[in-house]
Amino acid sequence: AQKVTQAQTEISVVEKEDVTLDCVYETRDTTYYLFWYKQPPSGELVFLIRRNSFDEQNEISGRYSWNFQKSTSSFNFTITASQVVDSAVYFCALSEPPSWGKLQFGAGTQVVVTP
Amino acid sequence: GAGVSQSPSNKVTEKGKDVELRCDPISGHTALYWYRQSLGQGLEFLIYFQGNSAPDKSGLPSDRFSAERTGGSVSTLTIQRTQQEDSAVYLCASSLVDQPQHFGDGTRLSIL
Repeated sequence: AQKVTQAQTEISVVEKEDVTLDCVYETRDTTYYLFWYKQPPSGELVFLIRRNSFDEQNEISGRYSWNFQKSTSSFNFTITASQVVDSAVYFCALSEPPSWGKLQFGAGTQVVVTP
Repeated sequence: GAGVSQSPSNKVTEKGKDVELRCDPISGHTALYWYRQSLGQGLEFLIYFQGNSAPDKSGLPSDRFSAERTGGSVSTLTIQRTQQEDSAVYLCASSLVDQPQHFGDGTRLSIL
């Protein structure tokens, strides 16, 4: 069964628009980690953020922000004032016990930002 | 410093042949991971090594797949008797203990 669901396959926006990427996860554990990775056209997966299950504080890093809500099992990601360089596939992932090293990825959301 | 290095970057081989893919982790990283990415299956975990512990092999799709990590550093992923469904990008990552994984550029494997 899919543990991480990214329902949006592709999102297209014009530069300077905001983009919100949805991520819904499923786990029976109370302790777990959630991640976001970016995969630009070059192909390398780039780590963006890790959040543990006990920290529900929202986080902002530059133009990026994350909204973690345990009540709805969601960990959404917003890019504010998008730029062409934000064009990439974004993956949400979960790790849970006992295999902490095993990242379980969602299917990814392709973000296309046009000038 | 240098990131995770994978070689070769591209590999084309005939069905039935064996292939070896190499991963050099970031210096000092004790954990090493293998994933594969294909159009049909997305990003799939294969195996991970953590220090001297027994590797977690739970993601290996069949006994044709194996991996080893020598000296706690370099790792080799071996696929025996390759099949067309093995065509994918194989990604390696490494990390410090309990830290996020950092990925290499991957090896694109094509089985003819």
